[in-house]
Amino acid sequence: QQQVKQSPQSLIVQKGGISIINCAYENTAFDYFPWYQQFPGKGPALLIAIRPDVSEKKEGRFTISFNKSAKQFSLHIMDSQPGDSATYFCAASLANQAGTALIFGKGTTLSVSS
Amino acid sequence: NAGVTQTPKFQVLKTGQSMTLQCAQDMNHEYMSWYRQDPGMGLRLIHYSVGAGITDQGEVPNGYNVSRSTTEDFPLRLLSAAPSQTSVYFCASSRRQGLHGYTFGSGTRLTVV
Repeated sequence: QQQVKQSPQSLIVQKGGISIINCAYENTAFDYFPWYQQFPGKGPALLIAIRPDVSEKKEGRFTISFNKSAKQFSLHIMDSQPGDSATYFCAASLANQAGTALIFGKGTTLSVSS
Repeated sequence: NAGVTQTPKFQVLKTGQSMTLQCAQDMNHEYMSWYRQDPGMGLRLIHYSVGAGITDQGEVPNGYNVSRSTTEDFPLRLLSAAPSQTSVYFCASSRRQGLHGYTFGSGTRLTVV
């Protein structure tokens, strides 16, 4: 059973437009929800993150919206730029005695056309 | 700081061979994890650790072993390589749970023939 479901698989947006990527989770024990950005040939890099007691977090052009009751969260990229073209992963974190298990969605490939 | 260093960057193995993927971090991070990335599958957690001597299994642990004898190092061992283990492997570390997130290495591309 996939614990974190991400959609869409791919997304094409025009320069200046809004990119929206959605994720849903099942396990209510998840306590931290980060988004990662990955460029080809590189490791993922943390973009923005949110805790479930906050409904929205904004950093520059990137915003996370979080709906705890629906168990959904989304990434909005405002004024999308060609440099934003990358693969985006949502994730959810579960803490236990061994550390934090970070479970990822399958990713969304974003292409911003100029 | 070098961050998270993974070696080797590329490796070709024959079926049945064993090898160790190395991961080292110089940020004094307590948490470390191993992931594999396959096309269309995202990143899947293999094993993770909160510190020396403490590890746990992730989503896809079969065929892999880990140990954590120091804070800095978290090697991943493939016991008997299979073609299904062809993948890109990422190691990651984090100072602590929270909004700092995990820092990822640049990956090891492994091909098993």
